[in-house]
Amino acid sequence: GAGVSQTPSNKVTEKGKYVELRCDPISGHTALYWYRQSLGQGPEFLIYFQGTGAADDSGLPNDRFFAVRPEGSVSTLKIQRTERGDSAVYLCASSLNALNEQFFGPGTRLTVL
Amino acid sequence: AQSVTQLDSQVPVFEEAPVELRCNYSSSVSVYLFWYVQYPNQGLQLLLKYLSGSTLVESINGFEAEFNKSQTSFHLRKPSVHISDTAEYFCAVITLSGGGADGLTFGKGTHLIIQP
Repeated sequence: GAGVSQTPSNKVTEKGKYVELRCDPISGHTALYWYRQSLGQGPEFLIYFQGTGAADDSGLPNDRFFAVRPEGSVSTLKIQRTERGDSAVYLCASSLNALNEQFFGPGTRLTVL
Repeated sequence: AQSVTQLDSQVPVFEEAPVELRCNYSSSVSVYLFWYVQYPNQGLQLLLKYLSGSTLVESINGFEAEFNKSQTSFHLRKPSVHISDTAEYFCAVITLSGGGADGLTFGKGTHLIIQP
């Protein structure tokens, strides 16, 4: 079956611009996670959704970052006023429910010039 | 808060030699433990996991890891590596008290380099 998909695969933007990154989880998975992976580092947790609601957004670095999952399936990570330090690979993962195996998407490589 | 330490950023090994990738964690509550692998130009894949029961867990491609609660370790081992094992390996934990709501905490990763 289809895995987790993320679009776009690459995004280049200029400092100060707004970007949206999309995640399509595996069908039927109620839990959805966003992570950020900087060069040479492991993935860093950003936010977790259980259904439509954000159960934990403690990993979001600041209020420029926001994520939604309005229908409990597709999720969008939104970054306002991008900064060069936001450059990283943004990973999405989904699981049947919390504490089950997380399946990761291929990631979106964001480059802020 | 929990943390994961992978002391070795790179481990070079000759083909068919044994390898051990070290992982230590810190947590005040019970955890589930995972090893993920990232092959070149591919996404993260689960290699193996410890949830409960036997402290020795195995993967389908010959890797194994042993949960040692007293040493708070979850080292990954393989008795004989192959060129195709070249990849980045990440150790990760998730706490049980959070119900999974705090996501996975990853180590920085270990790059396994297999030399012919």
